[in-house]
Formats: sequence, C-alpha cells, structure tokens
Amino acid sequence: GENVEQHPSTLSVQEGDSAVIKCTYSDSASNYFPWYKQELGKRPQLIIDIRSNVGEKKDQRIAVTLNKTAKHFSLHITETQPEDSAVYFCAASSGGFKTIFGAGTRLFVKA
Amino acid sequence: DADVTQTPRNRITKTGKRIMLECSQTKGHDRMYWYRQDPGLGLRLIYYSFDVKDINKGEISDGYSVSRQAQAKFSLSLESAIPNQTALYFCATSDSDSLYGYTFGSGTRLTVV
Repeated sequence: GENVEQHPSTLSVQEGDSAVIKCTYSDSASNYFPWYKQELGKRPQLIIDIRSNVGEKKDQRIAVTLNKTAKHFSLHITETQPEDSAVYFCAASSGGFKTIFGAGTRLFVKA
Repeated sequence: DADVTQTPRNRITKTGKRIMLECSQTKGHDRMYWYRQDPGLGLRLIYYSFDVKDINKGEISDGYSVSRQAQAKFSLSLESAIPNQTALYFCATSDSDSLYGYTFGSGTRLTVV
C-alpha cells in the first residue's frame, strides 16, 4: 500500500545551524504535502504545506521543497532555536481520506 | 477560538472494559478523523467520517467503533479494551476537500492495564 518514509528519525543540531528533514512518498496521486510540528505533550499543528504545482515555499525560517518526479519533499529550518525542538511529521495527501503520515523526526536544538 | 476538543485528556482503564473517547469541534468542518499515535509509528488512521451519514474504516479499525452524532461530534469506542490499545489518541478535522491540512484535538492518553 501507499506509504511515506521520513528521515532521519532523530536529528540533533546546534542552535543557529540548519536542519533538514526528508520524506519520500509512493502514491503518485498525492498532490498536497503538509508538515506538522508536535511539541512535547501537545497536539500536532500545521506549520507549512506545499501543493503539487509548486516546487518551493518559504515562511520566515522554514521552507519546504517538492520534487514530484522523484517523489521527494523536504523541510528546511534555518537559524534553529531551542523552541524549534519538537517532533516533525510530514504527510502526503491526494484529498479525501488518503493522508499518509511519516513516522516523525525528533529534532533537538542544543543551546 | 474555533477548536477541536477531546475528552477525557487522560484515562486508565482495565482490560475488558468498554470506554468511549469523545471529540467535538467548532471549526464547522464536515470531515472528522480518529488517529492513534504510538512511539516510532507516527499517526495511524482508525476511522474517518465525511459527514453525519458517512463512516469509514481506516487502516487499524479492528477493536474500535465510532459514532458521528452530529456534524460537530465524533466519538470513538473501545468495546473491550486490551493492553495493546494503550496509546495517544487524536481526533482531527478538515474542510471538505482535505487540502488545507488537519486541525487536531488535544489528545487523549489512554492506558489499558
């Protein structure tokens, strides 16, 4: 069946460095790719998303890139801060119920 | 603020007991979902509903049932709880084409002993 692979499972960076999380999806019909941030003990919250007709989207320190040919998409966080520490989930959706989540990346930002 | 509310926040129950988790939303969304989160496994879909008369199984529906009492309410039941149903459960909502992301509830941490 369809799946989304997310790497790495754990990422540790120094404050101020960049962090990159990568996802690969299998369903060619996927056309919407959201990213969620889940802080400890909290609910996942949408932080950025990208649609299949766009290759890159940026919002302040976070950006997402999409390569539909390779079925890859990535989250980039620049100038990381301790409050960026959280679990990040990627997802791929073709609309309807078919939103498949990656297993998550636990990001640690060391001060 | 429009939101998604889950009750209870935490629950400990015994094996074999029936338990219901409740979700209500003020987002005005038609679509509601129940997910289960386990460490290292991400979010897995249990059931979803696109409107009051529409209920569908997700990838891990065995041992669970749901009820969509109204557009704003979607409850999840464990008919006879077992220890491997110990997990964090999230309700989520989305708009009619699901292409603007999900709004998640605050979660219910369920422990079955």
